[in-house]
Amino acid sequence: DAGVIQSPRHEVTEMGQEVTLRCKPISGHNSLFWYRQTMMRGLELLIYFNNNVPIDDSGMPEDRFSAKMPNASFSTLKIQPSEPRDSAVYFCASSPDRGRAGELFFGEGSRLTVL
Amino acid sequence: QKEVEQNSGPLSVPEGAIASLNCTYSDRVSQSFFWYRQYSGKSPELIMSIYSNGDKEDGRFTAQLNKASQYVSLLIRDSQPSDSATYLCAAAGYNFNKFYFGSGTKLNVKP
Repeated sequence: DAGVIQSPRHEVTEMGQEVTLRCKPISGHNSLFWYRQTMMRGLELLIYFNNNVPIDDSGMPEDRFSAKMPNASFSTLKIQPSEPRDSAVYFCASSPDRGRAGELFFGEGSRLTVL
Repeated sequence: QKEVEQNSGPLSVPEGAIASLNCTYSDRVSQSFFWYRQYSGKSPELIMSIYSNGDKEDGRFTAQLNKASQYVSLLIRDSQPSDSATYLCAAAGYNFNKFYFGSGTKLNVKP
């Protein structure tokens, strides 16, 4: 089975540029999560979707961040404009609603560096 | 108090010993707990889940849940150098709409 697929794996950009991160969840999983990980703050939940609908975006740091899930197989996290403090590894994770509910399957992450 | 708290370590144990990792949690989480392992530069990987009070064993790993004291433990028997990683404790929010992660405990298993 294919796991959660994220792209790009690495992104280096300059302050002020737009950054778009992409995620394809595991087929059949109903929940999708975007996390950000830094040494200082650990894993932080940014936003959670269930059945393509944003349920909780209280972790989105500010209006510069936005996330969409237009269908069950694709989600994006956009940062516009980017700032150096956004540098982090961004993980997408998916989870089934039934059976193994509560078990998150993480993608390999997108490492973002904003200069 | 954070929802899930862990000692950041590092915890160093010799090869073959038992590694004991601990996590405490607040009243704001449900009774569903998970242990993830994260190798340096990699993504977190689920290794154990526990929902009921008591012990749950899977190979060399044992998860322990003590609801009265609000702590969760992970024991790794016969520790191997390949077990060296950061171990993240996580708890589900009610309705599984949030997952709260601890800051992780770094484990070093010395040959």
